[in-house]
Amino acid sequence: QVQLVQSGAEVKKPGASVKVSCKASGYTFISYGISWVRQAPGQGLEWMGWISAYNGNTNYAQKLQGRVTMTTDTSTSTAYMELRSLRSDDTAVYYCAREYGVNWFDPWGQGTPVTVSS
Amino acid sequence: QSALTQPASVSGSPGQSITISCTGSSSDVGGYKYVSWYQQHPGKAPKLMIYDVNNRPSGVPDRFSGSKSGNTASLTISGLQAEDEADYYCSSYTSSSTPLFGGGTKLTVL
Repeated sequence: QVQLVQSGAEVKKPGASVKVSCKASGYTFISYGISWVRQAPGQGLEWMGWISAYNGNTNYAQKLQGRVTMTTDTSTSTAYMELRSLRSDDTAVYYCAREYGVNWFDPWGQGTPVTVSS
Repeated sequence: QSALTQPASVSGSPGQSITISCTGSSSDVGGYKYVSWYQQHPGKAPKLMIYDVNNRPSGVPDRFSGSKSGNTASLTISGLQAEDEADYYCSSYTSSSTPLFGGGTKLTVL
């Protein structure tokens, strides 16, 4: 079945970087893009950006421009999201999701909690 | 960009119908047919329930339906069941070529 499996929880200090992975299986990886969405504790969903698994083109949310980088490794069907200069308000669960059509995401990874604390 | 506007909470009794609204503008909800809805149970990842305003993925019960009028999209759940209790989020494509989520609605089944 189609699934996305993400890397495990992370704890980082302010100013550090985090890199989360998302391994896809059950479909042709390069046929769809991957979006990253985060959810701060008790809050709603925030779209972070998108990467084409076909050619690596990216589109990042304006508020994260300059701090986020999304990449893919087609040899292992894995997408990566790196966020730099971490702040306490980056504490959230980070999800990857396959963008199956225009603005619809299915399936989602299980989520990766990232805690930023000194 | 501010989040699309959803009611913070809605409730209904088993068997009843409820509707969750999602209000945006002509630059998002009103301008495109690309509205989707997600269900999220506590501690779980979101699950796609509706795409392209009113289409259900396979496996989603036909009790779930979507619609749109002007700048407001709606998710209707008929024949409420206990397992429908969850948070629901809408999402719309925008004129910035990016998605925008709603603030989320907590559905309580009484």
